[in-house]
Amino acid sequence: DGGITQSPKYLFRKEGQNVTLSCEQNLNHDAMYWYRQDPGQGLRLIYYSQIVNDFQKGDIAEGYSVSREKKESFPLTVTSAQKNPTAFYLCASSPPAGTAQETQYFGPGTRLLVL
Amino acid sequence: AQKVTQAQTEISVVEKEDVTLDCVYETRDTTYYLFWYKQPPSGELVFLIRRNSFDEQNEISGRYSWNFQKSTSSFNFTITASQVVDSAVYFCALSDLLGELTGGGNKLTFGTGTQLKVEL
Repeated sequence: DGGITQSPKYLFRKEGQNVTLSCEQNLNHDAMYWYRQDPGQGLRLIYYSQIVNDFQKGDIAEGYSVSREKKESFPLTVTSAQKNPTAFYLCASSPPAGTAQETQYFGPGTRLLVL
Repeated sequence: AQKVTQAQTEISVVEKEDVTLDCVYETRDTTYYLFWYKQPPSGELVFLIRRNSFDEQNEISGRYSWNFQKSTSSFNFTITASQVVDSAVYFCALSDLLGELTGGGNKLTFGTGTQLKVEL
């Protein structure tokens, strides 16, 4: 079955530690995105990537880093510089240009908690 | 800057009641897309509908219907005969298309969501 997978479902981070959230898709989508959701809030864009080896900052990129070495994968690293990382992180992808590119499909999310 | 406002933070209804979720947006673009997503307690966002700025026809899908009015910059969502399974957070979103030359895609601006609780 095609879809977007995120792992782990729950992640605990200690002070000063970098952690990496995984996002994989087998939908042959070109564009991928990372969002952060805080309680009672909408989603805010952290980073996005339209093609392999290229990515752009979103609205709240500080304290985060990404890579896009493969079309299928877009991991997000929450660095120690992110002082308030506790949130629900959602990964999304959208179809290639010329198709229904304007629709984003989401993974199940990773909940990050600080110890 | 684009903005989406969902003024209703939480709505509670009794099963079988009709309910309308409001969405008001702001954009300077002439071409844009509007979306509704459902977020059940599991957390995953489920795509419900996409509407482009040139199509103001209302749409109906089963118990769901959407009313898009450019004159008032609104894209409201109505659930008819609500059911307990409709309980979720619903998000309205507005897109800013990225260039097609580099893989396409879009940047979404989300509202803060409306928590819908349907009780027996």
